[in-house]
Amino acid sequence: GQQVMQIPQYQHVQEGEDFTTYCNSSTTLSNIQWYKQRPGGHPVFLIQLVKSGEVKKQKRLTFQFGEAKKNSSLHITATQTTDVGTYFCAGRNQGGKLIFGQGTELSVKP
Amino acid sequence: GAVVSQHPSWVICKSGTSVKIECRSLDFQATTMFWYRQFPKQSLMLMATSNEGSKATYEQGVEKDKFLINHASLTLSTLTVTSAHPEDSSFYICSARGAFLAGAADTQYFGPGTRLTVL
Repeated sequence: GQQVMQIPQYQHVQEGEDFTTYCNSSTTLSNIQWYKQRPGGHPVFLIQLVKSGEVKKQKRLTFQFGEAKKNSSLHITATQTTDVGTYFCAGRNQGGKLIFGQGTELSVKP
Repeated sequence: GAVVSQHPSWVICKSGTSVKIECRSLDFQATTMFWYRQFPKQSLMLMATSNEGSKATYEQGVEKDKFLINHASLTLSTLTVTSAHPEDSSFYICSARGAFLAGAADTQYFGPGTRLTVL
């Protein structure tokens, strides 16, 4: 079946360092969404990308959707301890189903 | 806006009993609700999709007779885990997508989840 692969699975950074997580779909997506889940919490919607090559920014977070609409990335500049959590991408396929990546767990050492 | 609640937030039950989990959209009408299951350190796995007033669509490998879903109104969907066993212990999360929301029409809003432990 269709998969959305996300790497890395874990990332440990020093506070102030940058962080990037990548998602890759086996098929073309109609859009891709990003969520953040804090430990013990539930996924919280961050953003949705729809257009080929789209780039969106939210403060220190930069989201990118590939030209082929099959991959996406989330980049955090100068991480802070409040960025700790698991970041999930979720791609909506042509059939309308939202498929979640495996998530990248980010830990930030102060 | 766009708040989704779940009840209970956690439940412990004996093996063989049934557990009902409620998912409510508090400030919007949810035309579609989704039920996910998440095991520790793993991703969200879609179990089923339900549209108000119609039967739920279950994902492959999910037993519809074991996980009963009812979406009787535009603000309430329930998931009943029947004859629960220890392997059903998991974090169950619902999400809702509604019409006429100010945000992206495609956005799913997640509930806080229900942690089920079957002894």
